[in-house]
Amino acid sequence: EPEVTQTPSHQVTQMGQEVILRCVPISNHLYFYWYRQILGQKVEFLVSFYNNEISEKSEIFDDQFSVERPDGSNFTLKIRSTKLEDSAMYFCASSDYESGYGREAFFGQGTRLTVV
Amino acid sequence: TQLLEQSPQFLSIQEGENLTVYCNSSSVFSSLQWYRQEPGEGPVLLVTVVTGGEVKKLKRLTFQFGDARKDSSLHITAAQPGDTGLYLCAGSNFGNEKLTFGTGTRLTIIP
Repeated sequence: EPEVTQTPSHQVTQMGQEVILRCVPISNHLYFYWYRQILGQKVEFLVSFYNNEISEKSEIFDDQFSVERPDGSNFTLKIRSTKLEDSAMYFCASSDYESGYGREAFFGQGTRLTVV
Repeated sequence: TQLLEQSPQFLSIQEGENLTVYCNSSSVFSSLQWYRQEPGEGPVLLVTVVTGGEVKKLKRLTFQFGDARKDSSLHITAAQPGDTGLYLCAGSNFGNEKLTFGTGTRLTIIP
């Protein structure tokens, strides 16, 4: 069964360092997303990406964040200068616009980012 | 800002019992998804409901979307220990990309 895969599963970084989280969405999907979940809190939307550009972003997704689809398969989230409060589980998701059921999103296993 | 509140926040019941968890909002959603999340893993999609009043069944799980598309419920019949997990509802609207997640119900089924 097709799945969304994320690497790495865990990332520890020092405050102020840049990190890149990687995702391979389901191959025939057209919409790509990043969400995050701070420990014990709700899953929060960060950004959506369609047709090689950001289609929507939340207030969390400030200038320190960027996304890229460098080739036909990978989708990345870059945090330019990490802060302690960026520590969270980051989930990549993708959806099939043609499903006709709104935005059914399929999630990856997540990357646990710890900023020290 | 659209919010989804889930209740109860925690539920612990004996194996074989029935249970219902709720997902409520003051806003209308075009569709609503239910996910289950295990510790340290991503949410896994269970079902999507689109039409007001819609009922979908997935083995022992029954999902209902409210007539006004503002609320939803998940009913589990004869709960089993394998049903243990965090259940999340998430709403979306056509023309809007994001999923708005609920606060979650952490379900524990005691053998």
